[in-house]
Amino acid sequence: AQSVSQHNHHVILSEAASLELGCNYSYGGTVNLFWYVQYPGQHLQLLLKYFSGDPLVKGIKGFEAEFIKSKFSFNLRKPSVQWSDTAEYFCAVNEEGGGGADGLTFGKGTHLIIQP
Amino acid sequence: DAGITQSPRHKVTETGTPVTLRCHQTENHRYMYWYRQDPGHGLRLIHYSYGVKDTDKGEVSDGYSVSRSKTEDFLLTLESATSSQTSVYFCAISVSGLGQPQHFGDGTRLSIL
Repeated sequence: AQSVSQHNHHVILSEAASLELGCNYSYGGTVNLFWYVQYPGQHLQLLLKYFSGDPLVKGIKGFEAEFIKSKFSFNLRKPSVQWSDTAEYFCAVNEEGGGGADGLTFGKGTHLIIQP
Repeated sequence: DAGITQSPRHKVTETGTPVTLRCHQTENHRYMYWYRQDPGHGLRLIHYSYGVKDTDKGEVSDGYSVSRSKTEDFLLTLESATSSQTSVYFCAISVSGLGQPQHFGDGTRLSIL
């Protein structure tokens, strides 16, 4: 079975700081990778996704992520965070060829707080 | 907006009572999912559906059943609610077919007393 590990459960940064949130997955096959964001009281929104091709993917709101296959990692980055980035961030994976029909496996989430 | 409506949005009920949550989509997508979200656990898949009358179990299916008699509706039922099922429940759909990102509803906050 797949599993997803997010290393930081809580992160506190000041505005304009750089951000990197770690995500590792355990699955030997080909995977699709996602980062979702959940603002307080809201549903999950897709930040970015990786299916194939360029391992550096860019998403919305200035976020990007890099897929490193040898490390089973898909870390989320942003060069300069804003107060409005305060939210919970989830890494998720599904199995390529499994079609995604059997759902996503999520990490436990990282609660990011940006201090003004 | 992927046209997902969950109802009710909030519910408080007592242990042992049956509860049904509804997920309604307006765009006839084939794949639908129910997740629960709990602090420290992220989201965990309860059940999912490939289409009408075609469902399967997810990671945490014990105590839950689902039905999909129409493409647009996916129902989650707690036959006899327990306090451990207090959670926020999210419905999701997979837009554009297999392997594509999922889009989530606004959630149902369920409290079992």
